[in-house]
Amino acid sequence: AQTVTQSQPEMSVQEAETVTLSCTYDTSENNYYLFWYKQPPSRQMILVIRQEAYKQQNATENRFSVNFQKAAKSFSLKISDSQLGDTAMYFCAFMKLNRGGAQKLVFGQGTRLTINP
Amino acid sequence: AAGVIQSPRHLIKEKRETATLKCYPIPRHDTVYWYQQGPGQDPQFLISFYEKMQSDKGSIPDRFSAQQFSDYHSELNMSSLELGDSALYFCASSLGITGEREQYFGPGTRLTVT
Repeated sequence: AQTVTQSQPEMSVQEAETVTLSCTYDTSENNYYLFWYKQPPSRQMILVIRQEAYKQQNATENRFSVNFQKAAKSFSLKISDSQLGDTAMYFCAFMKLNRGGAQKLVFGQGTRLTINP
Repeated sequence: AAGVIQSPRHLIKEKRETATLKCYPIPRHDTVYWYQQGPGQDPQFLISFYEKMQSDKGSIPDRFSAQQFSDYHSELNMSSLELGDSALYFCASSLGITGEREQYFGPGTRLTVT
């Protein structure tokens, strides 16, 4: 079974600073996806960024980028130029990749990020 | 762009009652997932459907059942409700085989059992 660990329950930074959220996972699978989801106070789950395990290049989406270290089973999220709207709970998630059909997400415990003005 | 629709958004039930949650996936998505998120917890997988067939099952109580219909919408039926069933229930959808596998979440149904 896969497990996902987020060791930082809470983080707080000033607006415009850069912040990195940590995530480690444990799996014996070779093909999988990793995701970061954001859950603001509205409780909506919003996909932030996706990384395919077979890709060596780290994914980037505007101010959001990841540092994917497959051998170390590490998948951190970097938020540059943080904004007040980035305040949210952030979940790291793992998905095993099979030939077809549905694959569940396994979530970490979450990191509550607060951006201060 | 169209998103995942869930109804109702809020539901209040008493212990031992029955609840039905509905989910309408993004058009062309053939896969639906249900997750339960308790207070202060991460979402936990309950069950999934691909092309109207049950695909995977997680920690879903026997009191719960679900199905996916011919139009791909899904319903989660919850019977003999307990106080511990109070949670936010998310439905998510994705393209099962041909898509990029991202799961897009609906706004959730907040169930309160009193």
